Amino acid sequence: DTEVTQTPKHLVMGMTNKKSLKCEQHMGHRAMYWYKQKAKKPPELMFVYSYEKLSINESVPSRFSPECPNSSLLNLHLHALQPEDSALYLCASSSSGGADTQYFGPGTRLTVL
Amino acid sequence: QKEVEQDPGPLSVPEGAIVSLNCTYSNSAFQYFMWYRQYSRKGPELLMYTYSSGNKEDGRFTAQVDKSSKYISLFIRDSQPSDSATYLCAMSGPSTQGGSEKLVFGKGTKLTVNP
Repeated sequence: DTEVTQTPKHLVMGMTNKKSLKCEQHMGHRAMYWYKQKAKKPPELMFVYSYEKLSINESVPSRFSPECPNSSLLNLHLHALQPEDSALYLCASSSSGGADTQYFGPGTRLTVL
Repeated sequence: QKEVEQDPGPLSVPEGAIVSLNCTYSNSAFQYFMWYRQYSRKGPELLMYTYSSGNKEDGRFTAQVDKSSKYISLFIRDSQPSDSATYLCAMSGPSTQGGSEKLVFGKGTKLTVNP
């Protein structure tokens, strides 16, 4: 099973709202990732958790706050977003966080009004 | 020079054609080479991955890595309309940040297979 699940599939929020994106994997992977993807562009890395510790933070604005409650779950908390934050948010996981393959979830399509 | 270069296309072929997709890269430390297929408004799906140089075949798909030329390819034989998607190459290598690896993506090539 190489499945990464993400909820919700779609999210529309206002600039003053607080919402969370959720990601789950049951492959026993120890690294999980958040990416942002704009239309016709490749995914851009936001955060990496390796063994439940934040190991890469790509200078993402503080209105995005990641959380890794355990090795299977990854959340992305959203607060005071801007319309330009509208994008497809992708979660991925890999076995160890080293130079190995990453498996992506289906994404959450976020629209900020 | 960008780390990974990929022609964004678009590429349009008739059904049954052989499709060749390519990426070049500049970082000789890259060790893992991947091809992802992404349908419109969906997450990327891992199609093929290769460690170091060589060929790998899976059904109609063949991935090739030539580390001496820093060039990777994906071939699709007997292409089908269902292969219409954006194909992203991605690669990773030794980390500079705490042991965690970053995937470096190409821009993606949009492929349309016409019935």
